[in-house]
Amino acid sequence: QKEVEQDPGPLSVPEGAIVSLNCTYSNSAFQYFMWYRQYSRKGPELLMYTYSSGNKEDGRFTAQVDKSSKYISLFIRDSQPSDSATYLCAMTRGSTLGRLYFGRGTQLTVWP
Amino acid sequence: SAVISQKPSRDICQRGTSLTIQCQVDSQVTMMFWYRQQPGQSLTLIATANQGSEATYESGFVIDKFPISRPNLTFSTLTVSNMSPEDSSIYLCSVEWVRTQETQYFGPGTRLLVL
Repeated sequence: QKEVEQDPGPLSVPEGAIVSLNCTYSNSAFQYFMWYRQYSRKGPELLMYTYSSGNKEDGRFTAQVDKSSKYISLFIRDSQPSDSATYLCAMTRGSTLGRLYFGRGTQLTVWP
Repeated sequence: SAVISQKPSRDICQRGTSLTIQCQVDSQVTMMFWYRQQPGQSLTLIATANQGSEATYESGFVIDKFPISRPNLTFSTLTVSNMSPEDSSIYLCSVEWVRTQETQYFGPGTRLLVL
């Protein structure tokens, strides 16, 4: 079993839709959770960062962490064609080793 | 925010040759890492580049195949040695600052194709 599971999609939605992206994980020691956005032929760009359980909102993006279920989500409201990218979840125990554990990424297309 | 650059951005190489990838940051960072991103796969950590000492490799990666240098706090290199087509991948460096501990920022990546 992989430590981080993420449905690779692809996911295709119309402009304006609410998008829900999810990851599950198996290691209860993970405490820091991140979402990266990766455009084609670019490096991953940090989108959201949360610590432990709870919600965090930044503009049209909301990150949720449910540690009891080992489940994290990223919601995109009023999705735009510019949101079309691959979204990667990542997490870490928080040790000084700095290793991040990534999901495979979900490919999202928002069509006008 | 800091700028992370990688050279080359892409390359096509012959089997059996070696390629050195450079990662440059415009400010001093605490930690630097090298990842591999194969099509349809998760980002996989190759090693942590330690300043002034040998890199720390993850399981499945060895120094002879992926020698790494980090001579200072802003620069690191990854060499892919004796390449085979299985080494075709995107190679990414990432960095971490003390103030952003547990959060990493990535360079643009180097796309490598081995024929």
